[in-house]
Amino acid sequence: AQSVTQLGSHVSVSEGALVLLRCNYSSSVPPYLFWYVQYPNQGLQLLLKYTSAATLVKGINGFEAEFKKSETSFHLTKPSAHMRDAAEYFCAVSPLRGNNRLAFGKGNQVVVIP
Amino acid sequence: DTGVSQDPRHKITKRGQNVTFRCDPISEHNRLYWYRQTLGQGPEFLTYFQNEAQLEKSRLLSDRFSAERPKGSFSTLEIQRTEQGDSAMYLCASSHRDHGNEQFFGPGTRLTVL
Repeated sequence: AQSVTQLGSHVSVSEGALVLLRCNYSSSVPPYLFWYVQYPNQGLQLLLKYTSAATLVKGINGFEAEFKKSETSFHLTKPSAHMRDAAEYFCAVSPLRGNNRLAFGKGNQVVVIP
Repeated sequence: DTGVSQDPRHKITKRGQNVTFRCDPISEHNRLYWYRQTLGQGPEFLTYFQNEAQLEKSRLLSDRFSAERPKGSFSTLEIQRTEQGDSAMYLCASSHRDHGNEQFFGPGTRLTVL
């Protein structure tokens, strides 16, 4: 079964500093990969997705992620953190075919320090 | 279109009671998913519909859980004889068959079982 691993449940970053959230996937073939953001008491919002096109994917709110097959990784970055980036971030994987069910990581709670 | 909607947003019930949640997907989205999210965890897949057909159910979906999508539009998730372990956020998502990999999430229904 496909799965993703996110390490470090809580991530603290200073305002203006680099945001780096790590995601490693487990799959026999390169799957579809996603990053979602969840604000308190809200549903999940798609930040960006990798669907076997460009390996560097740009998303909303200044986030981007790079797919590296050799490292089975899909890390999320943002050059400069804003206070509004404080939220929970989930990496997810889905198969190329079939029901496209998403398998999520445990998430990273990002805290932005003024 | 206003996106995926879920009702109610919050539900508090006593152990042993039955509860029903509703999800209205984005119109023309033929795929509908239910996920469950417990505190500190990523969402976990429960079940999937393509049109009115329920095509897959997770082993997490015990016999007390039932989901329907009678006309291929809205869906309901019912939990019978609720237990305290059922307390969670129940998320609904929908997707279009031509863009099946991108799922749009509703705000969720938070269930508290006392």
